[in-house]
Amino acid sequence: EDQVTQSPEALRLQEGESSSLNCSYTVSGLRGLFWYRQDPGKGPEFLFTLYSAGEEKEKERLKATLTKKESFLHITAPKPEDSATYLCAVQPGGYNKLIFGAGTRLAVHP
Amino acid sequence: NAGVTQTPKFQVLKTGQSMTLQCAQDMNHNSMYWYRQDPGMGLRLIYYSASEGTTDKGEVPNGYNVSRLNKREFSLRLESAAPSQTSVYFCASSEHLNSPLHFGNGTRLTVT
Repeated sequence: EDQVTQSPEALRLQEGESSSLNCSYTVSGLRGLFWYRQDPGKGPEFLFTLYSAGEEKEKERLKATLTKKESFLHITAPKPEDSATYLCAVQPGGYNKLIFGAGTRLAVHP
Repeated sequence: NAGVTQTPKFQVLKTGQSMTLQCAQDMNHNSMYWYRQDPGMGLRLIYYSASEGTTDKGEVPNGYNVSRLNKREFSLRLESAAPSQTSVYFCASSEHLNSPLHFGNGTRLTVT
């Protein structure tokens, strides 16, 4: 069965304290892996798409990486405005729909 | 540029009542989706429309119906609301099925 698991469920960081969020997946083939950011009371906002193992994407303090079994979202020197829930979603091969993980709630404190 | 607009933002229904959630996008996207989000769970797909004139069931379609009114609008109808349908509902659109999703800000529905 296709499955996406994100860890940790919640993460508290001090401003400037770098860390990583994990997205582990079990799918029959991988067409793409997506990262989204969701602020309270808002809809998810697209961050990155990764398609193949070894691929990396960067945006400001965020860098997403992909292996054959998992993806990491690395946050370098985070700021309070990076506080949000980060969602991972995978699109299995031969399947047009996304499977979402439950998300990681990130809180960055000054 | 509004993106994806959902109405209403909040709704309270009694068990057995019906309602329609509205969604419109102004990005000329081909594909549109309805998801529900419950605490501790990932977003789950209810229905989607790959292109104007087509609709398909997602992971959790029971108790819902959809209409792709035109390229811009995709509505979700609850014919007889149940407490299990208490959730936050998100509409999304994408250029095509394999493209990144653009989400609205959700409708918070409570069924008592």
